[in-house]
Amino acid sequence: KAGVTQTPRYLIKTRGQQVTLSCSPISGHRSVSWYQQTPGQGLQFLFEYFSETQRNKGNFPGRFSGRQFSNSRSEMNVSTLELGDSALYLCASSLMGQRQETQYFGPGTRLLVL
Amino acid sequence: AQTVTQSQPEMSVQEAETVTLSCTYDTSESDYYLFWYKQPPSRQMILVIRQEAYKQQNATENRFSVNFQKAAKSFSLKISDSQLGDAAMYFCAYRSASYNTDKLIFGTGTRLQVFP
Repeated sequence: KAGVTQTPRYLIKTRGQQVTLSCSPISGHRSVSWYQQTPGQGLQFLFEYFSETQRNKGNFPGRFSGRQFSNSRSEMNVSTLELGDSALYLCASSLMGQRQETQYFGPGTRLLVL
Repeated sequence: AQTVTQSQPEMSVQEAETVTLSCTYDTSESDYYLFWYKQPPSRQMILVIRQEAYKQQNATENRFSVNFQKAAKSFSLKISDSQLGDAAMYFCAYRSASYNTDKLIFGTGTRLQVFP
């Protein structure tokens, strides 16, 4: 079974632009979570989707948004990019998002904002 | 709010030796899960081991074991017979069991170096 895939793997943008990152969960998984990883702030939870509904949201500005499609693929969008948005963005999936399940992480998308 | 603290930014160990990585957490919940994740350089994060708070028995996965002290809110990872492939960032993480959520709260990580 294929693992969690994220596209693109690397991205360079300039300040003020917007960006869309994609995450395809493991086949059959319906829960997708997103995290931002930076050297300064570590790993921080962005949001979580289950069956196309946002179930939980982290403490990030409204410039960060996401959605999930009926096939469970998820996208996150960052508008009006700032230098501080440079980070590794990770997504993780689980079967139903229930307490006893394991989450599987993708390889991440490394975003550089110039 | 829950917090996770890893006080060792870096650790090193000789191949075949044993090393223990520390993690403490703070929560007012009684039911939760604790995890250790491994993130090798430029590779994706994988689950090493998990512990359910209501289970008193410490989890073990081959060379990896935990020392879970619920009252002290401590959750350390012991790696026995260390191998070169164990070199990675290790993250301790907390997940509530009270709500239907996948949200993980991570510590700042410990970089483990393994010397031959």
